Amino acid sequence: NAGVTQTPKFQVLKTGQSMTLQCAQDMNHEYMSWYRQDPGMGLRLIHYSVGAGITDQGEVPNGYNVSRSTTEDFPLRLLSAAPSQTSVYFCASSYSGGDSYNEQFFGPGTRLTVL
Amino acid sequence: GENVEQHPSTLSVQEGDSAVIKCTYSDSASNYFPWYKQELGKGPQLIIDIRSNVGEKKDQRIAVTLNKTAKHFSLHITETQPEDSAVYFCAANSWGKLQFGAGTQVVVTP
Repeated sequence: NAGVTQTPKFQVLKTGQSMTLQCAQDMNHEYMSWYRQDPGMGLRLIHYSVGAGITDQGEVPNGYNVSRSTTEDFPLRLLSAAPSQTSVYFCASSYSGGDSYNEQFFGPGTRLTVL
Repeated sequence: GENVEQHPSTLSVQEGDSAVIKCTYSDSASNYFPWYKQELGKGPQLIIDIRSNVGEKKDQRIAVTLNKTAKHFSLHITETQPEDSAVYFCAANSWGKLQFGAGTQVVVTP
């Protein structure tokens, strides 16, 4: 199993550009999520999904869109990049979430810089 | 929503000594408390977790304690080794989501 994979590993954008961060998992997990990691602020939840076709907002959703058309894939779209979105982005998946939490498996991360 | 506070932000320990990281949470309904370890350039990885019906859990040199009344939980690492150097995050679930602490940078010096 490859686990959780993310592409690209690094990306530099100019303000106003759009892009999609890719995330895929091969563990047949229902629950997937996106976090951003900034110095001194831990991991903050952007969006999450409890299954194909179902997504919801996390703590910091503004400026980001997600969709979940398949169990395996959960892309994160930046609509119009801003310098405040410079961060390291992690995708994670788990068998379930909510009240029956299981281990979350994290991808290797995407380091994004917005100039 | 849930608020998780983690202390200290940095911790330097001598190899062989113990390390303790403490977290507090605000949502009394939280019932799942995982700890993640993040090595440089990698994603976080679960090292131990505890559920609210248990007060303590051990796995070799790592232990976690939970005090539901006081709403705090702690990670204890005994006999620290250089490979324990990393950033450690605590977390608590709330309303179907995980809320993470800000992280503790642990440095184990030989």
